[in-house]
Amino acid sequence: ETGVTQTPRHLVMGMTNKKSLKCEQHLGHNAMYWYKQSAKKPLELMFVYNFKEQTENNSVPSRFSPECPNSSHLFLHLHTLQPEDSALYLCASSQVRTGGRNEQFFGPGTRLTVL
Amino acid sequence: DQQVKQNSPSLSVQEGRISILNCDYTNSMFDYFLWYKKYPAEGPTFLISISSIKDKNEDGRFTVFLNKSAKHLSLHIVPSQPGDSAVYFCAASEGYSGAGSYQLTFGKGTKLSVIP
Repeated sequence: ETGVTQTPRHLVMGMTNKKSLKCEQHLGHNAMYWYKQSAKKPLELMFVYNFKEQTENNSVPSRFSPECPNSSHLFLHLHTLQPEDSALYLCASSQVRTGGRNEQFFGPGTRLTVL
Repeated sequence: DQQVKQNSPSLSVQEGRISILNCDYTNSMFDYFLWYKKYPAEGPTFLISISSIKDKNEDGRFTVFLNKSAKHLSLHIVPSQPGDSAVYFCAASEGYSGAGSYQLTFGKGTKLSVIP
């Protein structure tokens, strides 16, 4: 068990739908992340939240909207997605420490298919 | 432009032999490096890391070597076991970025197959 859970594990949605991905970490970490993994591409960082404040947004289209209500929960709200947004969406958490040495722990991911 | 490169998409090794996975990076500001292992339908799992002040870090069957002048690191698995079959990702960091968060840059991964 990784300590980072994600729901749903699989999601199929149409381009006009609105859905949300949920992530919860049980590790007491203070930073949470959303990544996108497309076929034959490296993991792409989408958003970073540190102490509930968004500190990174790597030029992600506005059809992806993150929400971090507290340090244990992270959401990714999806609306009017495109077929090219189909990918594995991974959530991760870490404990940010002095010196910047910390490892990220990943959830199992949500496999998203946009029709 | 990819800052972390894993040039071998796949590698096959006989059980009991050594597996060597390679990773190159271009950003000289990277000072912390990690290896993750990923099984199908699971998220990446942290395996081992190394700081730029070291050139070697060992944890059981896994050893990571860092050659800063060549901007190259490698992961050695000895002896290789069938359960090691997975995709291995190399990741690098500059340490802090933004307001104290920790950003990782990943390679594309190498699929290791350990043949019984």
